Amino acid sequence: AQSVTQLDSQVPVFEEAPVELRCNYSSSVSVYLFWYVQYPNQGLQLLLKYLSGSTLVKGINGFEAEFNKSQTSFHLRKPSVHISDTAEYFCAVSGSGRRALTFGSGTRLQVQP
Amino acid sequence: KAGVTQTPRYLIKTRGQQVTLSCSPISGHRSVSWYQQTPGQGLQFLFEYFSETQRNKGNFPGRFSGRQFSNSRSEMNVSTLELGDSALYLCASSPRTGDMNEQYFGPGTRLTVT
Repeated sequence: AQSVTQLDSQVPVFEEAPVELRCNYSSSVSVYLFWYVQYPNQGLQLLLKYLSGSTLVKGINGFEAEFNKSQTSFHLRKPSVHISDTAEYFCAVSGSGRRALTFGSGTRLQVQP
Repeated sequence: KAGVTQTPRYLIKTRGQQVTLSCSPISGHRSVSWYQQTPGQGLQFLFEYFSETQRNKGNFPGRFSGRQFSNSRSEMNVSTLELGDSALYLCASSPRTGDMNEQYFGPGTRLTVT
């Protein structure tokens, strides 16, 4: 069975500082990895995805993530955050023909001025 | 293109009642999935429909059901509502079925059971 662990439930950071949101997954088969963002009272918006190929994936709003197969990680990074990045971020995995996303518990990013 | 739309956005029901939620996917998308989001359990997969057929089902009781119409619109139904069914129900659409296909989410329907 697949599972996703987001190691930090909350990450406070000052505006313009860099940030890394950590995500580890477990799966015995090939996986596809996603990061979604959820703003208050809204649905989920796809930030980026890893399907295959280059392990460094660039997404929207200046975010990027690196797939590390040996460490089974898919950490999300942004070199300089803005107040508007305050939201909840979810890492998700699919694969093995299940055709469903398995989500982590989420990380609340709080950007302070 | 218009995004995924869900109706209603908010709903209040009483224990024991039933409820039907509606989802209209992005035009041209044929796969619709449903997820339940609660503070305690997080985001959990309910089921997926593709070409009017249920392709996959999560670990939820039979009180949760769904269907998909020929225009790809989908409905989910919850019968005999329990307090624990209070949640944000998210619908997601995808052009095709399959693990590699990214899913586009709607704004959700917030169901409160009293």
